[in-house]
Amino acid sequence: GDKVKQSPSALSLQEGTNSALRCNFSIAATTVQWFLQNPRGSLINLFYLVPGTKENGRLKSTFNSKESYSTLHIRDAQLEDSGTYFCAPYQGGRALIFGTGTTVSVSP
Amino acid sequence: NSKVIQTPRYLVKGQGQKAKMRCIPEKGHPVVFWYQQNKNNEFKFLINFQNQEVLQQIDMTEKRFSAECPSNSPCSLEIQSSEAGDSALYLCASRGQGATGNTLYFGEGSRLIVV
Repeated sequence: GDKVKQSPSALSLQEGTNSALRCNFSIAATTVQWFLQNPRGSLINLFYLVPGTKENGRLKSTFNSKESYSTLHIRDAQLEDSGTYFCAPYQGGRALIFGTGTTVSVSP
Repeated sequence: NSKVIQTPRYLVKGQGQKAKMRCIPEKGHPVVFWYQQNKNNEFKFLINFQNQEVLQQIDMTEKRFSAECPSNSPCSLEIQSSEAGDSALYLCASRGQGATGNTLYFGEGSRLIVV
């Protein structure tokens, strides 16, 4: 929790708008994963990142290893984007370290 | 997105009872993780395996849980004597090896309620 901080903790969006989520970490990460946890509890893989930027549909994510942060941009938000977004940097060792999440609620 | 299968989806146990959860990792993935996610969305790493061998586990897991990943059978995580604080979502994840080996794929989880 303390090593990976996500902001904001909660976000309300109107359909069609854009937003950005931030993940700051105090570890020297080599990769970062982003997940979306839907209301059923399923963790859906969004991105697996080495330093740099990836784009997938309306989502874009950047990982800056030198400054130890990652961002997730949502463009043209849709109702199905609602859920809790988690970033999880990996610093070597065995396990991912998860942030406490950003809960996104998209309304019509 | 993921082919990691976890059963049961829900289980309700009384304090002191055993609680057992199972996980079939994605085919061809030799590395399996178990995480506990509490009601505050905090993830706690519990244990991981490579094939049948334990790679790492936390102290709590060693003392109160029994976990295994036998060949040709589902992996399992069992709490020997459930406590109220064990109520949580238990998530199993697997990954392969090679260039994309660090990408972790999760199952839908087993939600344990200890009454």
